[in-house]
Order: sequence, then structure tokens, then C-alpha cells
Amino acid sequence: SQQGEEDPQALSIQEGENATMNCSYKTSINNLQWYRQNSGRGLVHLILIRSNEREKHSGRLRVTLDTSKKSSSLLITASRAADTASYFCATGPGTALIFGKGTTLSVSS
Amino acid sequence: NAGVMQNPRHLVRRRGQEARLRCSPMKGHSHVYWYRQLPEEGLKFMVYLQKENIIDESGMPKERFSAEFPKEGPSILRIQQVVRGDSAAYFCASSPGTGSQETQYFGPGTRLLVL
Repeated sequence: SQQGEEDPQALSIQEGENATMNCSYKTSINNLQWYRQNSGRGLVHLILIRSNEREKHSGRLRVTLDTSKKSSSLLITASRAADTASYFCATGPGTALIFGKGTTLSVSS
Repeated sequence: NAGVMQNPRHLVRRRGQEARLRCSPMKGHSHVYWYRQLPEEGLKFMVYLQKENIIDESGMPKERFSAEFPKEGPSILRIQQVVRGDSAAYFCASSPGTGSQETQYFGPGTRLLVL
């Protein structure tokens, strides 16, 4: 069964707009991570938020975590064409990460 | 500081052949993870290894798949007698091993195509 479920599955926006992706999970966690994958490439780690944190920022990225709802969101502000990629949340009860199917973000100029 | 290295990047095999995928973790990392990604899917955990030890292989198919991480050299994911359903991207990740659920750094993947 999947631990992380991203929503929406696909998102298309214009450059300069903000993009918000959501992730829900099922079990208790120590932390939750977000990764980006460009088409045909490996995963790039974006940000890790610990279970005792509610919000974290990194550049144009803002991640929130609501452990009571078992959900997280990733906000990309002022999007660029280079942000076009698939975004995955990953977490798990143990050491192995469990990924959802991802949100495919398309940013057009 | 080189990242996680995987080779080959692309591998083509015929049904029944063996596939060997290699992964060199980041310098200083002693934990290695293997994941498989089918088209249009997220990554699925396969196996977690430390040097000379398999820690968690709960995601590995029971037959034909094996993994090792020897004292010296890269980690190897071995698939015997490949079938078309094994066609996928196989990613390796590594971590320093200082705690559970720490950041895992991924390699570029090996894309296996079984004809």
C-alpha cells in the first residue's frame, strides 16, 4: 500500500504563478521529505521536515506538515519553466522511504 | 564531492539473461537503498543494505533478485533470468547512516529494458 499520496496528479500553471501540491500519508512518521524528478532523471532531494516541525522554508519552497491530519503541502512560489518536473513526497514508518505516484507540474512561459 | 554513482545508465537484456546494476554511494555513506520505478509510477523500495549486511529486503521479489554491498566495492543489484516485467528504472540511494529516515541521496538510475 502507498504511504504517500500526492494531489493533484497533474498541475499546469504559468510562469510566475504559485504551485501547491499536497501529500497525505497513513502511518506515524519521524519526518517527511519532498523530492523532485525531472523527466528521465534521478531524484533530487528538496526538503525534509521533521514531525515536530510545522513549517519549513528553503528558497522559493515552503513545506507545511500537519501530523494530526497526516498531510503535508509543498508550495513553490514564483514558478519558473525550470520547475517543470514530477514532485514526490516520501516518508515511512521505518528507514525505507515510501513514495506516492507524484504530482507532475508543468510550468509554461 | 561526487554524488551517488550508478552504472550502467542504460542496460538492455534479452529475456533469460542476467542484469547487474552497480551503485557507489556518496563518500562517507555506509547505507545503501535500492528502489524500482515503473513507468508513470512512484519509486518502490526494494532493499536496504549496510556494508556486508542486508538490513531490510522486504521489497525484494522472492525469486531472481539479490543484492549485496561488499566490504570493498559498489553495491550490486542482480536480476537473474530477466523477464519483460523487470523493465524499469532502478535507483540507488545512500545515506550516512546516523539515524532512521534521514535524507537519502539518489543516483541517476539505471534504466533496464528487457527485450
